[in-house]
Order: sequence, then structure tokens, then C-alpha cells
Amino acid sequence: GQNIDQPTEMTATEGAIVQINCTYQTSGFNGLFWYQQHAGEAPTFLSYNVLDGLEEKGRFSSFLSRSKGYSYLLLKELQMKDSASYLCAVRNAGNNRKLIWGLGTSLAVNP
Amino acid sequence: DTGVSQDPRHKITKRGQNVTFRCDPISEHNRLYWYRQTLGQGPEFLTYFQNEAQLEKSRLLSDRFSAERPKGSFSTLEIQRTEQGDSAMYLCASSSTRGNSPLHFGNGTRLTVT
Repeated sequence: GQNIDQPTEMTATEGAIVQINCTYQTSGFNGLFWYQQHAGEAPTFLSYNVLDGLEEKGRFSSFLSRSKGYSYLLLKELQMKDSASYLCAVRNAGNNRKLIWGLGTSLAVNP
Repeated sequence: DTGVSQDPRHKITKRGQNVTFRCDPISEHNRLYWYRQTLGQGPEFLTYFQNEAQLEKSRLLSDRFSAERPKGSFSTLEIQRTEQGDSAMYLCASSSTRGNSPLHFGNGTRLTVT
């Protein structure tokens, strides 16, 4: 089967660093995406990894290890507005290139 | 680039009624996806178009659901004989065919079936 696991909830303090992990088992792999979703809003694209290593984009970084089926999203200098759900999604190989989604990690940033 | 737009933002309907939602993707994107999302869950794939061709439809989707993209631009999702279990956020997303192209989501249509 195909499965994506990420923690359900996390809590962190404003100004701190938080790492959100994602592990996946899929029948094919053509890239991993991280999305941010605020309550009642649509998911917003954050990052994409298809090769092993770290991708940095401002306060957000994402890491991928394909051999381990593992990724993490690193958020630095946390702000209150970072309180949201963070969704990990793996793109299937093949023509439809469909995304398989995790259930999301709800991050609460406290002052 | 005005982003993906969906209409309406909210829809309240009585059980048994038909509803239709519209999605206008980013103009240069030829791939269009429909997803459904309920509270605390990730998006659930419904169907996918490349240009005007519907290439895949989820096996979980009943025959009451149908989607079209007649000219390869905007798309409509129709739900016939709505049931209370259809209450959810219906998300449309589009992407290009580039290898690393992410899905860009619209703001969704929130359906409440009473």
C-alpha cells in the first residue's frame, strides 16, 4: 500500500526552530512537496524536493532522503503566523503524477 | 497570473439537490485536479484532467459525481442527489507539465448539505 506518516500535532515557541518529519512508503516516487494550510484556507505550496539533500528558502528548509523514505520541513525564527497545518505530499511516478497526501501536522506557535 | 479561482466559495444545499462548482485554473496550466478535504484530513483525490481529457477518476467516487473540462480551460464538478456525507471543502488545483511543477490550489468551495 501507499502511506505517508507525519505527527498529528506539534507545539513550539515564537522565535524558535521546529522540525516536522514525514516518512513515506509509495509505489513510485517523483518528488515530495510541503504545503502550508491555514484553517479554512487552501493549501499553499512551500517546497519541493526530488533529489536527496536540503533545499533552503528563507526561513523554511526541506530535506529529503529517498533511500530512507524520509523528509523534514524545518521552520526557523518561528512567528505566530506560522501556526497552521503542514502537509507532506508525494508525487507518484507515471502519467497522472498524482499527489499522495499525509494527514498534516498541526503546528501551534506560542508567544 | 490571477491564480486558481473557484466559485462559489460557500454552498448550502438540502439533501437530494444537485450542485455544480466551477474552477478556473491558471491560464497556462494544462493539468487540473479536483480534491475533497474534510476537517483534520489531507486532500482526497477526486479526478484529474490534462487539457480536456479526464485521465483518472477516483474509484472511491460514486456515480453521483461528474466533472468536465470541455475546452481544456475551466472545469465544473457536479454532485447529483447530494447526501450529508458530501459536506466538505472541494478544492481545485492546477499545474503545468514541467517536472517540478507544484499544484496551485484555489480557495475551495465549502459545501454544506443539510
